[in-house]
Amino acid sequence: GQNIDQPTEMTATEGAIVQINCTYQTSGFNGLFWYQQHAGEAPTFLSYNVLDGLEEKGRFSSFLSRSKGYSYLLLKELQMKDSASYLCAVTDTDKLIFGTGTRLQVFP
Amino acid sequence: DGGITQSPKYLFRKEGQNVTLSCEQNLNHDAMYWYRQDPGQGLRLIYYSHIVNDFQKGDIAEGYSVSREKKESFPLTVTSAQKNPTAFYLCASSMRIDQPQHFGDGTRLSIL
Repeated sequence: GQNIDQPTEMTATEGAIVQINCTYQTSGFNGLFWYQQHAGEAPTFLSYNVLDGLEEKGRFSSFLSRSKGYSYLLLKELQMKDSASYLCAVTDTDKLIFGTGTRLQVFP
Repeated sequence: DGGITQSPKYLFRKEGQNVTLSCEQNLNHDAMYWYRQDPGQGLRLIYYSHIVNDFQKGDIAEGYSVSREKKESFPLTVTSAQKNPTAFYLCASSMRIDQPQHFGDGTRLSIL
């Protein structure tokens, strides 16, 4: 079957570092996406991991371990505008399966 | 500018009524998807299509129907059989499954 787990909510302070974890189980895995979604808006693409390891893109980095079915999104130098939901999504043959998302609140 | 357009932004449905949500893209993407999002939840797949005149059911297809007569268009009909249609509906497109999906701004559907 398919299963994706993310923490429901996280809080952090402006300027800090936060790590959002995602574990998954699917039969047709090809890669893993991270999306950011601000309240009331559409998701926007952050990163895509296919191979094991860390992909860095500015303040955001994403890690994948295919053997462990595990990924994380690392956000550095947090800003107030990073307050949003972060969605983990895995490919399952010909479609994406989304997790329920992690709501991140950044406080001053 | 290329993009994906959903309309209307807000839609109200009466009991027993079918309503159609529009989704158009000019990104020349082959694949298109419809998702439903309930408050505080992730995205659940309703229907998807990888080529014209072909589409597949997602996890929650009951009470919904789609068509894919043109590459650019993938309308979703919420039928009267869908008893709990109130949600935020998102349309997306991508070139292939291993490419990022681009999302429209969404349609909020409510029951009158």
